[in-house]
Amino acid sequence: GAVVSQHPSRVICKSGTSVKIECRSLDFQATTMFWYRQFPKQSLMLMATSNEGSKATYEQGVEKDKFLINHASLTLSTLTVTSAHPEDSSFYICSARDDRGETQYFGPGTRLLVL
Amino acid sequence: AQSVTQPDIHITVSEGASLELRCNYSYGATPYLFWYVQSPGQGLQLLLKYFSGDTLVQGIKGFEAEFKRSQSSFNLRKPSVHWSDAAEYFCAVAPITGGGNKLTFGTGTQLKVEL
Repeated sequence: GAVVSQHPSRVICKSGTSVKIECRSLDFQATTMFWYRQFPKQSLMLMATSNEGSKATYEQGVEKDKFLINHASLTLSTLTVTSAHPEDSSFYICSARDDRGETQYFGPGTRLLVL
Repeated sequence: AQSVTQPDIHITVSEGASLELRCNYSYGATPYLFWYVQSPGQGLQLLLKYFSGDTLVQGIKGFEAEFKRSQSSFNLRKPSVHWSDAAEYFCAVAPITGGGNKLTFGTGTQLKVEL
């Protein structure tokens, strides 16, 4: 149980294009999901908290117009990197908090490379 | 502000040897405590968690952790390390109330296992 999937696992795109990453909780409901960014050999940095049916809450310094988050259902949140640039290249990880408890379960991550 | 300190950036142990990874936190009150493991290019897997009760918690893969309130510590231990345990380990905390249960991560400890 408590499986979270992410799609795609890796994506290469050209500068200026937009990329959508999906995060799904497969066997539990998650009103709240989180999006993280991880640079090589570093810890996870929280980008935003995604809440089903409402606007996401962004951490300080994260551009909400660049990183669009939609939490359309209790099992799906999407992160869209708009007009991606090479500096957006990173490892993006989502997590979903099981509505029945306080534990976050993480997806396998998405490797984004912007050329 | 809350913070999590993992003082050891890298640790190398021989297979079969015991392991202890240190984690200290700074928080206004006792938070929820977690240990996660990350293999290269992968998401995070929950090893164990402490919410309340018995201060020695058992996790998956033979790991355990002990919560010591007086030391604000939550060290991870394993009596006999296997080569497959080589990975990055992250300690994390989350507020019990408020804060949207956001996780604050330590900087991670890279474990290398010598055969």
